[in-house]
Amino acid sequence: AAGVIQSPRHLIKEKRETATLKCYPIPRHDTVYWYQQGPGQDPQFLISFYEKMQSDKGSIPDRFSAQQFSDYHSELNMSSLELGDSALYFCASSLDGGYYEQYFGPGTRLTVL
Amino acid sequence: GQNIDQPTEMTATEGAIVQINCTYQTSGFNGLFWYQQHAGEAPTFLSYNVLDGLEEKGRFSSFLSRSKGYSYLLLKELQMKDSASYLCAVRDGGFQKLVFGTGTRLLVSP
Repeated sequence: AAGVIQSPRHLIKEKRETATLKCYPIPRHDTVYWYQQGPGQDPQFLISFYEKMQSDKGSIPDRFSAQQFSDYHSELNMSSLELGDSALYFCASSLDGGYYEQYFGPGTRLTVL
Repeated sequence: GQNIDQPTEMTATEGAIVQINCTYQTSGFNGLFWYQQHAGEAPTFLSYNVLDGLEEKGRFSSFLSRSKGYSYLLLKELQMKDSASYLCAVRDGGFQKLVFGTGTRLLVSP
């Protein structure tokens, strides 16, 4: 069965650089979520989209922005990167605005040097 | 506020049964989910409860008591591959985001 696809899987950036993470949800899933997981921590919700509109916003820094496109894929844009942004970034998708369970992608490991 | 508590670490023996508890106090509630996560990998969906009671799914069962703000995940016939972190997550009633607990690291020994 098709799963959530994230790219790139690994990303190394310098401080103050920008990064773009991409997420391709499971086909027919209309809702996308972004989570950040620091080392030894639980996933923290960043932002979500339902039918290409932002549906909820969590602890996402102002330096980050995201959107969902017409083909339902989503991109997380991160600017002025800081050392503390180093983490695993997961994208998850679900059906019907999140009524059903969320399926997580393999994650993008971002390292900021 | 959101408060979801789980034991930090548990150990068990291969073939045994283990119960991982989760207590929660959240501003919204629209279901409780259990995920398994191996180090450096994505969380994998195990089960969820919306109503009180027990949900069984193979070797895994999950229980929910909404009045007590309590859930548990029961793992039977433990296997070495079950060594992982188990995340309890509450689905926020508003827009369905998941609020995760601190996670329980389970170590299964021979």
